[in-house]
Amino acid sequence: GAGVSQSPRYKVAKRGQDVALRCDPISGHVSLFWYQQALGQGPEFLTYFQNEAQLDKSGLPSDRFFAERPEGSVSTLKIQRTQQEDSAVYLCASSSRTGTGGLSDGYTFGSGTRLTVV
Amino acid sequence: AQSVSQHNHHVILSEAASLELGCNYSYGGTVNLFWYVQYPGQHLQLLLKYFSGDPLVKGIKGFEAEFIKSKFSFNLRKPSVQWSDTAEYFCAVNRYSSASKIIFGSGTRLSIRP
Repeated sequence: GAGVSQSPRYKVAKRGQDVALRCDPISGHVSLFWYQQALGQGPEFLTYFQNEAQLDKSGLPSDRFFAERPEGSVSTLKIQRTQQEDSAVYLCASSSRTGTGGLSDGYTFGSGTRLTVV
Repeated sequence: AQSVSQHNHHVILSEAASLELGCNYSYGGTVNLFWYVQYPGQHLQLLLKYFSGDPLVKGIKGFEAEFIKSKFSFNLRKPSVQWSDTAEYFCAVNRYSSASKIIFGSGTRLSIRP
């Protein structure tokens, strides 16, 4: 596709419910990132994939958060037993290159999924 | 602790005014620096970047930023703003040791009065 596609655009979950957020990166992009953006804050790094390998998951806030990218394209961020503090916009970004090359190109961000936990 | 600090939460200017948005970071060592912009209803876009060389970098739409290593700063400037510059601006840092990860500041909302 022309850009990074995220679905759903909006998600309302009851506290304790499990959710799955999907990211379709630009075709062929090897690098994929997930960020969490709380209201009034900047995006905070969650995790990074290079193809199907999850190379950095240092930003995942708890073991309730899990991300996968099994075939090196589509990625899913799963949040188990959602809590109110999980309410945020979840952003996905991708890049055709890794490391400095990818940084230099600038990542292509999706429009995000706004998760509201009630 | 916030490692990338943006001093102004909300800036309001009139058209044609000059703009400077502050950004400081707290990492030592080699860093790569970025400004991203998010226009209303749109996704984050790269405005400009600094990797090495001339510390004064120019980006799209007449924006520029100056890297001052001694001050750990990377302030964004524009001589004359337009109404279309209304957006949220994020400073971001990549630590050379942390591969591709970018750390963002909390953002500055810029509102331009027509």
